[in-house]
Amino acid sequence: AQSVTQPDIHITVSEGASLELRCNYSYGATPYLFWYVQSPGQGLQLLLKYFSGDTLVQGIKGFEAEFKRSQSSFNLRKPSVHWSDAAEYFCAVGYIGTASKLTFGTGTRLQVTL
Amino acid sequence: DAMVIQNPRYQVTQFGKPVTLSCSQTLNHNVMYWYQQKSSQAPKLLFHYYDKDFNNEADTPDNFQSRRPNTSFCFLDIRSPGLGDAAMYLCATAGTDAGGYTFGSGTRLTVV
Repeated sequence: AQSVTQPDIHITVSEGASLELRCNYSYGATPYLFWYVQSPGQGLQLLLKYFSGDTLVQGIKGFEAEFKRSQSSFNLRKPSVHWSDAAEYFCAVGYIGTASKLTFGTGTRLQVTL
Repeated sequence: DAMVIQNPRYQVTQFGKPVTLSCSQTLNHNVMYWYQQKSSQAPKLLFHYYDKDFNNEADTPDNFQSRRPNTSFCFLDIRSPGLGDAAMYLCATAGTDAGGYTFGSGTRLTVV
């Protein structure tokens, strides 16, 4: 069964500092990998996704993520965090195929200090 | 723009009073999903439709039902809401694989 681990429940960074959110997955084949962001009381917004090709994926809002097969990781990065990036971030994995289900990590809450 | 729309955004219902949440899509996707997300938790899949075929997750309570009258619409029915059913309910659609996964904005359900 597929699973996702986000080891950091809560991270605090200063505005302007760099950010890395960790995500490790367990799946037998190459999965789809996603990062979503969720502001309080809102739905999920897709930041980026990976299926194949270049292992460094660019997303919206200046985010990027790197797929490392050898480490089963898909960490999210941003070189300079803005106060508006404060939110909950979810990593998710889905398999290739019809009616694929997404499995989510437990999320990382990002706090940005000014 | 093609999208997934959930109505209403906020729903307040009384304990034990049936409630229906709505989801519509203009993406013409085969698959529609309902996820439940409780406060500070990850979204949890309740069930999904592949075309007209209904697929229930093993641990989804019987209190939750779903209908998909056509490709565009899917409904979540909660027959007798309890306080523990207060959550954000997220609808999603996907085509032939997970790459096209698209979420709606969610409906926040409050049970009083």
